Amino acid sequence: DTGVSQDPRHKITKRGQNVTFRCDPISEHNRLYWYRQTLGQGPEFLTYFQNEAQLEKSRLLSDRFSAERPKGSFSTLEIQRTEQGDSAMYLCASSFGGVGQPQHFGDGTRLSIL
Amino acid sequence: QKEVEQDPGPLSVPEGAIVSLNCTYSNSAFQYFMWYRQYSRKGPELLMYTYSSGNKEDGRFTAQVDKSSKYISLFIRDSQPSDSATYLCAINRSNDYKLSFGAGTTVTVRA
Repeated sequence: DTGVSQDPRHKITKRGQNVTFRCDPISEHNRLYWYRQTLGQGPEFLTYFQNEAQLEKSRLLSDRFSAERPKGSFSTLEIQRTEQGDSAMYLCASSFGGVGQPQHFGDGTRLSIL
Repeated sequence: QKEVEQDPGPLSVPEGAIVSLNCTYSNSAFQYFMWYRQYSRKGPELLMYTYSSGNKEDGRFTAQVDKSSKYISLFIRDSQPSDSATYLCAINRSNDYKLSFGAGTTVTVRA
């Protein structure tokens, strides 16, 4: 069990640029989640996948955000036309089994918009 | 009103003290309860997980759930400087996969 891996750890970009983050979940986990965390707040849910199917998206996930999980393995989160308000820590988590099973988090990608 | 309210802290305690952390939630549909520890610039690390009212112990950590009062607590006994971190409560509804988090309480244990 190597844990949830996220890449890159830190991304600095100019406003208006597109960015893409990657998440590799724990290998046997069928569910994968994306959260966003701003300073002094708990993580907020963005979206989740069961295998390759994206089953729920938060209203926080504007049309500039898109997530994929091809083949039910790793996932990518893309933000187009970044804005200052997108600066945050983007966290990925994974779990196995039914509702209520604990989610295990990666160390996140910190996005800084100049 | 947020679904999960967490005592904001911060808390500063001497080494060896008992740390008490609390959250309240608004919806009785929440059935699964977790505590995470988060060090600076790291992701949340699962500490405790429970789905029933009562106490659950794991080493120096005790999670307490009172579903009738919609109140959850985490106690850390014999606190160590390495326990200095932000502690997050997180809860799940019985028919929902996403977690709702409290804002976190930052704890400092002074040597």
